[in-house]
Amino acid sequence: DVKVTQSSRYLVKRTGEKVFLECVQDMDHENMFWYRQDPGLGLRLIYFSYDVKMKEKGDIPEGYSVSREKKERFSLILESASTNQTSMYLCASSLGVRYTEAFFGQGTRLTVV
Amino acid sequence: DAKTTQPPSMDCAEGRAANLPCNHSTISGNEYVYWYRQIHSQGPQYIIHGLKNNETNEMASLIITEDRKSSTLILPHATLRDTAVYYCIAPNTGNQFYFGTGTSLTVIP
Repeated sequence: DVKVTQSSRYLVKRTGEKVFLECVQDMDHENMFWYRQDPGLGLRLIYFSYDVKMKEKGDIPEGYSVSREKKERFSLILESASTNQTSMYLCASSLGVRYTEAFFGQGTRLTVV
Repeated sequence: DAKTTQPPSMDCAEGRAANLPCNHSTISGNEYVYWYRQIHSQGPQYIIHGLKNNETNEMASLIITEDRKSSTLILPHATLRDTAVYYCIAPNTGNQFYFGTGTSLTVIP
């Protein structure tokens, strides 16, 4: 079974801190994604990556950056956390150039205080 | 990506079929329709996908209209564990895919 693992289930950080959310997948998938999920807004794509060191902006990239140094790992970085970045963050991966089914991690609930 | 439209919420009696509709009138000829569900506090889970033929697997059936402008996900005998948010998406042929707010299905005992 494909496994997408997010490093933390719950995280509390202070405003202004630099925050790293880590995601690892074990199925050699080319594509990896970061979403945030907020009540009433559904899942919104922040960034995605289709190869090592490659990244593309999604719907809401402002305030975030990403890093993909190895194929299996995709990191989401909040350069200076703010309270409006309090949210559920979901990582996903999928295989190949064309769209195929995506596998999601369990999510990280981040609270910025 | 083709835009999809789903009702925000639906109820279904336990043991009955749950029919979840999705409109995707701008879908292009080579775009698949994918369905996922998200149970509370978990990541979304893939259910099924299709292009133009009806599809069935162990979880659900997918009925796509002949003009491909809409589809229906069918859970044949809904259980309480099927209470979840269901997402219909029609991603483009690139690497991106976008989810909306989906349909919140409540299965009632």
